[in-house]
Amino acid sequence: AQTVTQSQPEMSVQEAETVTLSCTYDTSESDYYLFWYKQPPSRQMILVIRQEAYKQQNATENRFSVNFQKAAKSFSLKISDSQLGDAAMYFCAYRSANDMRFGAGTRLTVKP
Amino acid sequence: NAGVTQTPKFRILKIGQSMTLQCTQDMNHNYMYWYRQDPGMGLKLIYYSVGAGITDKGEVPNGYNVSRSTTEDFPLRLELAAPSQTSVYFCASEGGPTEAFFGQGTRLTVV
Repeated sequence: AQTVTQSQPEMSVQEAETVTLSCTYDTSESDYYLFWYKQPPSRQMILVIRQEAYKQQNATENRFSVNFQKAAKSFSLKISDSQLGDAAMYFCAYRSANDMRFGAGTRLTVKP
Repeated sequence: NAGVTQTPKFRILKIGQSMTLQCTQDMNHNYMYWYRQDPGMGLKLIYYSVGAGITDKGEVPNGYNVSRSTTEDFPLRLELAAPSQTSVYFCASEGGPTEAFFGQGTRLTVV
C-alpha cells in the first residue's frame, strides 16, 4: 500500500522569509499524482499545488513551488515570501489510479 | 455552486448507536472519498468510489459501510458507534486527478 510521510510535525517561519516542507512517499507505481493541500483553522481543505509524476518540470503556483525528485520519492513544498495567511496545516497527498492518501501533516506557524 | 455538501456538521452519538453521514456533490464527479481526521493527525481513507455502484475499502474501513447508488450521493454508515470513531469526517469528490473538492466536515463525538 502507498504511504505518505511528512517528517516535520511543526515548522515555523518569519514573515517574508522562505520555508520548505518535506514529504516522502512509497509506491511501486510509475503513474501517479502528488498534491499539497492547506487546511486553515476553518477546516476547509484547499489545494495549493499539484504535480504529475510523468512531468519532470517542477510545478509552481505564484509563491508556492515544489521540488519533485521521482527517483528519491520526495516531494517538498517551498513557500517564498511567507505571509501571515499561510499559517495552516499542510498535507502532502499521493493519488494513484483510484484512491488518494495523505500524510500526517505539518503545522506551519508564520511569525510577524 | 454547492460543491460537496456534508450533513450534519456536528453530532453526538451514544456508544452502540448507528448513524449515516450524508455526502452530496453536484459536479458530476465519478470519484468520491470518505476520510477521517483524528485530532492533530492527517486524513485516513475509509472508503472510496470510482463511480455509481462501485465502492472499495481504504485504510480504515472497519466499523463503516458505504453505498453509491447515484453519482451524486455517497453516504457513510456507522454501525454500533464506538469511542474510537470520535473524529472529524470529510467527504471529497473529484472528476479526475486534478483537484479534490472537500466538504466542510462532520465532527462526530461518541460518548
